[in-house]
Amino acid sequence: QKEVEQNSGPLSVPEGAIASLNCTYSDRVSQSFFWYRQYSGKSPELIMSIYSNGDKEDGRFTAQLNKASQYVSLLIRDSQPSDSATYLCAVLTSYNTDKLIFGTGTRLQVFP
Amino acid sequence: KAGVTQTPRYLIKTRGQQVTLSCSPISGHRSVSWYQQTPGQGLQFLFEYFSETQRNKGNFPGRFSGRQFSNSRSEMNVSTLELGDSALYLCASSLDGQEETQYFGPGTRLLVL
Repeated sequence: QKEVEQNSGPLSVPEGAIASLNCTYSDRVSQSFFWYRQYSGKSPELIMSIYSNGDKEDGRFTAQLNKASQYVSLLIRDSQPSDSATYLCAVLTSYNTDKLIFGTGTRLQVFP
Repeated sequence: KAGVTQTPRYLIKTRGQQVTLSCSPISGHRSVSWYQQTPGQGLQFLFEYFSETQRNKGNFPGRFSGRQFSNSRSEMNVSTLELGDSALYLCASSLDGQEETQYFGPGTRLLVL
């Protein structure tokens, strides 16, 4: 079992729709969770962080965390073509040392 | 404020050679982390340096090493290159290792022939 799992996609949604990206993780004691966006040929950029159960909203983005189910998601409301990118879920794990474990990413395509 | 810079941006090497990649963090950032990104494995943590000391290390063989200088600039070295080392190598800097302040550089794309 991979430490952080994401569906590779692509996830295709029409412009204006809600895109839902999901991620599961295996380390039960993880406390910090992050979503990064990576445009093709570019480096990742942090868009959301979440540390406690529930929802965290930032503009059109909402991160959701459920530690009991070891599940974290990212919702993008009113999706725009400019949101088309790969979204990486990352979990700060403490197996041996603190390190950020990334999922392989979900490619999102928003079509006009 | 200038972002994270990495040099070189592209590199072609042959098996058995060694390579050194450089990363200059954002001014004031003392932590530098290195990652390898490949299509199959995704983004994998290599190591983190803070104040010239390796603070964390991922699960990579000893052929991968790094160091950090007093000005926080960091280098990573890969010896005895293998075909599987072909990847995008990203460094990220942060103030003190906190992910919320971590910014990635543009990466060095390494191709091993």
